[in-house]
Amino acid sequence: AQSVTQLGSHVSVSEGALVLLRCNYSSSVPPYLFWYVQYPNQGLQLLLKYTSAATLVKGINGFEAEFKKSETSFHLTKPSAHMSDAAEYFCAVSRASGGYNKLIFGAGTRLAVHP
Amino acid sequence: GAGVSQSPSNKVTEKGKDVELRCDPISGHTALYWYRQRLGQGLEFLIYFQGNSAPDKSGLPSDRFSAERTGESVSTLTIQRTQQEDSAVYLCASSLAGQTSRSYNEQFFGPGTRLTVL
Repeated sequence: AQSVTQLGSHVSVSEGALVLLRCNYSSSVPPYLFWYVQYPNQGLQLLLKYTSAATLVKGINGFEAEFKKSETSFHLTKPSAHMSDAAEYFCAVSRASGGYNKLIFGAGTRLAVHP
Repeated sequence: GAGVSQSPSNKVTEKGKDVELRCDPISGHTALYWYRQRLGQGLEFLIYFQGNSAPDKSGLPSDRFSAERTGESVSTLTIQRTQQEDSAVYLCASSLAGQTSRSYNEQFFGPGTRLTVL
């Protein structure tokens, strides 16, 4: 069975500091991995995805994530936090089989950015 | 047209009542998904539609939950005899069809319906 663990339900950083949101996954086959962002009172927006191409994936708003198979990790980073990055972030995994894409989500990490 | 839309945006109901939640997918998207997001938790998969058939209903939590889809368009999630534990945000997503090992069709999410059962 596939699962996702996000370490830290709340992360707080200063504006301009490094953002690091941790995600570990469990999958018996090569997975697809995703990071989604949810701003207050809005739906989920795809930040970036890993689909077995380059292991370092760049997404929108300056975010990137690196797929590390040996560590079963897909941590999300951004070199310099901006106030507008405050949101909830979800890591998700799916397996490319069966003709569809059922996403398994982590519990989420709420990012706070303070001046 | 625009993105995925859901209605109502908020629904408050009394325990024991039935509710219907609606999802309008992006035109041309044959795949449709329902997810549930309880307070402080991640999203849980509920059901997947391909066209108007539902090959995966494995996430529906009980027989009080049902969903249908008209053609490749609107979907309705119905919860009968609501309970307080049904309080959550219900999110709908749609995508193009045909997920294979070499391609990925992005799921586009609606804004959700916040259901509160008193």
